[in-house]
Amino acid sequence: AQTVTQSQPEMSVQEAETVTLSCTYDTSESDYYLFWYKQPPSRQMILVIRQEAYKQQNATENRFSVNFQKAAKSFSLKISDSQLGDAAMYFCAYEANSKLTFGKGITLSVRP
Amino acid sequence: NAGVMQNPRHLVRRRGQEARLRCSPMKGHSHVYWYRQLPEEGLKFMVYLQKENIIDESGMPKERFSAEFPKEGPSILRIQQVVRGDSAAYFCASSLERDGAYEQYFGPGTRLTVT
Repeated sequence: AQTVTQSQPEMSVQEAETVTLSCTYDTSESDYYLFWYKQPPSRQMILVIRQEAYKQQNATENRFSVNFQKAAKSFSLKISDSQLGDAAMYFCAYEANSKLTFGKGITLSVRP
Repeated sequence: NAGVMQNPRHLVRRRGQEARLRCSPMKGHSHVYWYRQLPEEGLKFMVYLQKENIIDESGMPKERFSAEFPKEGPSILRIQQVVRGDSAAYFCASSLERDGAYEQYFGPGTRLTVT
C-alpha cells in the first residue's frame, strides 16, 4: 500500500522569505504522480503543483517549486518570496491508478 | 467554466437519519471521486466513479455508505443511519485525463455534523 508522510506538523516563515515543506512517500509503483495541495481556512483544496515520476526535471509554478528525489522517495515543496496569502495547510499527495493518497498535512504560518 | 459544486455546504443530522451529499463535476469531466477529511487529518479516499459505474470503492465503509453517478444529474454520496463518527468534511473531486494523469479538482466540501 502507498503511504505519504509529512513529519512536520507546523512551520513558520517570515514574509518575503523562502520555506521548504518536506514529504516522503512509499510505493512499489514505477509510474505515478505527485501533487501538493493547499487548504486555506475556507477549506477549499487548491492544486499548487504536480510532478510526473518519469520526469527528472523538477516542476515549477511561479513562486512554487519542488525538489523531487525519486530514489529517496522525497518530494519537497519550496515557496519563495512568501506572502501572507500563503498561510494555509499544505498536503502532499501521491496518485496512482486514479486514486490520491494524502499525507496528514502541515500548517504553514506567515509572519508579517 | 464553473468549478466542482457541492451541496449542501453544511449538513446537520441526528443519529439514525440519512445524509445525502451532492456533487456536480466540472463541465466535461466524467470522473468523480469522494474523499473524507476528519479533524486534523488529510483526506482519505472513499470511492471513484465514472458515469453509471463504480470504478474503485476500496475506501468505502462496508455498511451504510453508498455512492452513485447517474447518467444525468449529480453524483450522490449517501450515508444511512448516521452515527457521530460520520461527522467530517466530505470532498468531491472531478477530473479529466491530462498527459496520463487524472488531475483532480476539488469542490468546497460538505461539512456533516451528526448530533
